[in-house]
Amino acid sequence: QKEVEQDPGPLSVPEGAIVSLNCTYSNSAFQYFMWYRQYSRKGPELLMYTYSSGNKEDGRFTAQVDKSSKYISLFIRDSQPSDSATYLCAMSAQTSNQFYFGTGTSLTVIP
Amino acid sequence: GAGVSQSPSNKVTEKGKDVELRCDPISGHTALYWYRQSLGQGLEFLIYFQGNSAPDKSGLPSDRFSAERTGGSVSTLTIQRTQQEDSAVYLCASSKHLANYGYTFGSGTRLTVV
Repeated sequence: QKEVEQDPGPLSVPEGAIVSLNCTYSNSAFQYFMWYRQYSRKGPELLMYTYSSGNKEDGRFTAQVDKSSKYISLFIRDSQPSDSATYLCAMSAQTSNQFYFGTGTSLTVIP
Repeated sequence: GAGVSQSPSNKVTEKGKDVELRCDPISGHTALYWYRQSLGQGLEFLIYFQGNSAPDKSGLPSDRFSAERTGGSVSTLTIQRTQQEDSAVYLCASSKHLANYGYTFGSGTRLTVV
């Protein structure tokens, strides 16, 4: 079983839609949770960071962590064509040297 | 520099040749990471450097892979006797101290072994 599972999609939505991206994980020691956005031929770019459980909001983006279910989500409101990218979840334990990444979900927002 | 710089951006090599990939982290970032990204796979951790400490090499897939970091700054990832399965994007990232708050990635080196 992989440490982190993420549906690869692809996901295609019309402009203005609400997008929900999700990851599940198996390691209960994970405490740091992140979402990265990766445009084609570019490195991943940190989008959201959350420590432990709860919600975090930044503009059109909301990250949610449910540690009891080992499930994290990223919501994008009023999606824009510029949001078209691959979204990667990542997580780490307190004392870990590395993050464990999902395989990424490919999102296309259609104008 | 302003960001993490990696070179070359693309590299095509013949099977069996050695390659060197370079990473120049953000100035002042003490932690440096190498990851590998293959098609349909998540990012695979390779190696981690933190200051003057011994590197965490636990992710290196074979003894053909090695990395060094000189002067706590620039890092080189070397792959000896390349194989076709080594074809991937090699990503370098850096951060201040332990990266619980996230890394800054470079744009990667796309390696193709033919």
